[in-house]
Amino acid sequence: NAGVTQTPKFRILKIGQSMTLQCTQDMNHNYMYWYRQDPGMGLKLIYYSVGAGITDKGEVPNGYNVSRSTTEDFPLRLELAAPSQTSVYFCASSDSRDPEAFFGQGTRLTVV
Amino acid sequence: GENVEQHPSTLSVQEGDSAVIKCTYSDSASNYFPWYKQELGKRPQLIIDIRSNVGEKKDQRIAVTLNKTAKHFSLHITETQPEDSAVYFCAPGGYGQNFVFGPGTRLSVLP
Repeated sequence: NAGVTQTPKFRILKIGQSMTLQCTQDMNHNYMYWYRQDPGMGLKLIYYSVGAGITDKGEVPNGYNVSRSTTEDFPLRLELAAPSQTSVYFCASSDSRDPEAFFGQGTRLTVV
Repeated sequence: GENVEQHPSTLSVQEGDSAVIKCTYSDSASNYFPWYKQELGKRPQLIIDIRSNVGEKKDQRIAVTLNKTAKHFSLHITETQPEDSAVYFCAPGGYGQNFVFGPGTRLSVLP
């Protein structure tokens, strides 16, 4: 039981490049989330999903897109990377019957 | 949406002393009140939570108290140890809806 797995762990992007951050969970959770955490700051919700085929915007969705084609996977797409997107990205999941959020180990992204 | 605040933003205590962090929220429909701990360079992890039908919950040195009328809940850590040094986040909400985290409180336990 791996929990929530994110790939890659580290990535450096050039301004204007695109990439996809992968997130998969093996706990059959229906809820999944993407957060970003800037240095010394709190967690800001980017997007969330309450089930396969359903996604919604969080507090800071601009510059990102998500999809949820399966219960297990919730990839985050960055289009036209900007320095302001330099951050640590956390994926998390939870179940409607047990609200504890389980986090992946994070992806440290630097845009230069 | 939910407006979440934490006080204080930073807290320094001597080893062995107690620490209290308060979380205030705006959504009266919230019925789940967790606290997460994030050590430096690591992912947040749940340390304690409380449901809305309970006023207090204890787990060894940590406890959470809830005041639904006033819309706040607090994390209490007794006999603090150096390994308690971390950032603590509250995340009030509904079941399966841990959408919004508080801004965090950085606790430093001084030896």
